[in-house]
Amino acid sequence: QVQLVQSGAEMKKPGASVNVSCKASGYAFNTYNINWLRQAPGQRPEWMGWINPNSGDTKFSQTFQGRITVTRDTSANTAYMELTRLTSDDTAVYYCARGGIVELAVNWFDPWGHGTLVIVSS
Amino acid sequence: SYVLTQPPSVSVAPGQTAKITCGGNNIGSKSVHWYQQKPGQAPVLVVFDDSDRPSAIPERFSGSKSGNTATLTLSRVEAGDEADYYCQVWDRSSDPSYVFGTGTKVTVL
Repeated sequence: QVQLVQSGAEMKKPGASVNVSCKASGYAFNTYNINWLRQAPGQRPEWMGWINPNSGDTKFSQTFQGRITVTRDTSANTAYMELTRLTSDDTAVYYCARGGIVELAVNWFDPWGHGTLVIVSS
Repeated sequence: SYVLTQPPSVSVAPGQTAKITCGGNNIGSKSVHWYQQKPGQAPVLVVFDDSDRPSAIPERFSGSKSGNTATLTLSRVEAGDEADYYCQVWDRSSDPSYVFGTGTKVTVL
């Protein structure tokens, strides 16, 4: 079955960076975008950006532009998200989720990874 | 950015029907998707493209849209349906281009 497995929880100090990985299985990795979203406690999910695993193209929300990097390793069917200059406002569960490469046709997220808790605290 | 508005909470007795609304400007021109999220778990897609259902989702979950409102209907509600529900759209002219609704907590009485 289609599955996205994420790396484990992280605790970071303000100003640090965090890296989260997302390993895909059960489908052809190159045929769907990998999206990154986050959900702060008690809040709705927030879309951060995506990577096209085939081309390496990326697109990000302006909210995170300049702080986020997303890469992929096609040989490992894995996508990576790095978020820099962390503050306490970045404390959240970070999710990867499969989405469509042609956004006009497929613009939903299915499935989602199990989530990675990132706590930013001094 | 684009705004999607949902009622904060809906309460329903087991076996009855719950309706969750999602309002947005010109939502009729957009495809609406719905997610169920249980405590401590990742969201799960239950309806996509307004009214289509992933194969693993029971027929009790249905979606519709009329005017500026999309609706997720939960029929014959079960205790296991208690969760947060979010609507979501893609709006190419918005940033972020993927937008989630404010979320609705469904409580099964």
